[in-house]
Amino acid sequence: LAKTTQPISMDSYEGQEVNITCSHNNIATNDYITWYQQFPSQGPRFIIQGYKTKVTNEVASLFIPADRKSSTLSLPRVSLSDTAVYYCLVGGLPGGGKLTFGQGTILTVHP
Amino acid sequence: NAGVTQTPKFQVLKTGQSMTLQCAQDMNHEYMSWYRQDPGMGLRLIHYSVGAGITDQGEVPNGYNVSRSTTEDFPLRLLSAAPSQTSVYFCASQLAGGYSTDTQYFGPGTRLTVL
Repeated sequence: LAKTTQPISMDSYEGQEVNITCSHNNIATNDYITWYQQFPSQGPRFIIQGYKTKVTNEVASLFIPADRKSSTLSLPRVSLSDTAVYYCLVGGLPGGGKLTFGQGTILTVHP
Repeated sequence: NAGVTQTPKFQVLKTGQSMTLQCAQDMNHEYMSWYRQDPGMGLRLIHYSVGAGITDQGEVPNGYNVSRSTTEDFPLRLLSAAPSQTSVYFCASQLAGGYSTDTQYFGPGTRLTVL
């Protein structure tokens, strides 16, 4: 399973765009990149997933360069409710439930 | 759908006691997993199951047993609780047989303290 590295913490202010970058140098050909969000006292929640280039949904965007050795989660115009831990996961077939959660990035949004 | 449910929400045990953490899902998911999360840490996989009757060990299986007699239920048993097992336990389920493209759905967690 590919190891991921992400910043331990980030601070932002309401209304700003936040970009969290994850490094995964050993990503395999069939690995997908998935981001989860976890609020205190709750289980993680799926945010977005991608394989290459750019993926966008109603919550976030995921940018993956051609070499796929890193990925960037972009949260547009964050609010206080976006304060959470964000996990970058990399896994392929049959990865699935054996995905490895690192320490994640603690994002704190300030008023 | 209730999604993934876990009981109890909180539990305090004494060292050496045994107990079972319950997990159920009503989404007809084949794949279920148990994780533990220690303070300030990410989640670590304890055991997982790719379907009824099939289980396997994850990263930190020692001290825990699982079984999967039905698709819906995946209980986690602590055989002889130790203070090192104080943690928050999350159960998760996933549609297919462990493909990373399938979203994992997590339960609300069980906060376990072992004295």
